[in-house]
Amino acid sequence: AQKITQTQPGMFVQEKEAVTLDCTYDTSDPSYGLFWYKQPSSGEMIFLIYQGSYDQQNATEGRYSLNFQKARKSANLVISASQLGDSAMYFCAPATTGGFKTIFGAGTRLFVKA
Amino acid sequence: NAGVTQTPKFQVLKTGQSMTLQCAQDMNHNSMYWYRQDPGMGLRLIYYSASEGTTDKGEVPNGYNVSRLNKREFSLRLESAAPSQTSVYFCASSEEGHLNSPLHFGNGTRLTVT
Repeated sequence: AQKITQTQPGMFVQEKEAVTLDCTYDTSDPSYGLFWYKQPSSGEMIFLIYQGSYDQQNATEGRYSLNFQKARKSANLVISASQLGDSAMYFCAPATTGGFKTIFGAGTRLFVKA
Repeated sequence: NAGVTQTPKFQVLKTGQSMTLQCAQDMNHNSMYWYRQDPGMGLRLIYYSASEGTTDKGEVPNGYNVSRLNKREFSLRLESAAPSQTSVYFCASSEEGHLNSPLHFGNGTRLTVT
């Protein structure tokens, strides 16, 4: 069974600073995708960024980027220039089995301070 | 664009009662999913439907049944609700069989079983 570890239950960051949210995963599938989702206090789930297991470059999407270390099975999310609206839960979610089984970590709650 | 629509948004049941959660998507996605979210545990996959006419168990299928009514609609049924099924339920959809296809979520159903 897959295991996803997000070691930081809660984090604080000052507005306009960068923050890194950690994620490690354990899968035996050679081919997988890594997703990060954001859940604001309103409750909806929002897709942020994707990294394929065979991608050579780290994924970037606006202020979001992934520090992907395949050998360590680590895919940390970096948010640059934090904004107050970034305060939310963030979930790391690897997808395997042709993309049908996306498993979620327990999440990290990020608080952005003004 | 409606995306993924879930009904109802809130529901209170008594132990032993039954109910069906409805989900519909208008993005022409082949794959649909039901997740539950409990505090501190992230999202857990209950059932998924890779394509119309197929359904498969996820991590926590016990106590639930699903029906893929057509390509657009995927319902989740609780035959005899238990307090342990108190949770927030999310329906999601994605393109079929692609590891790089993110999940698109509905806004969730908050279910309380007393």
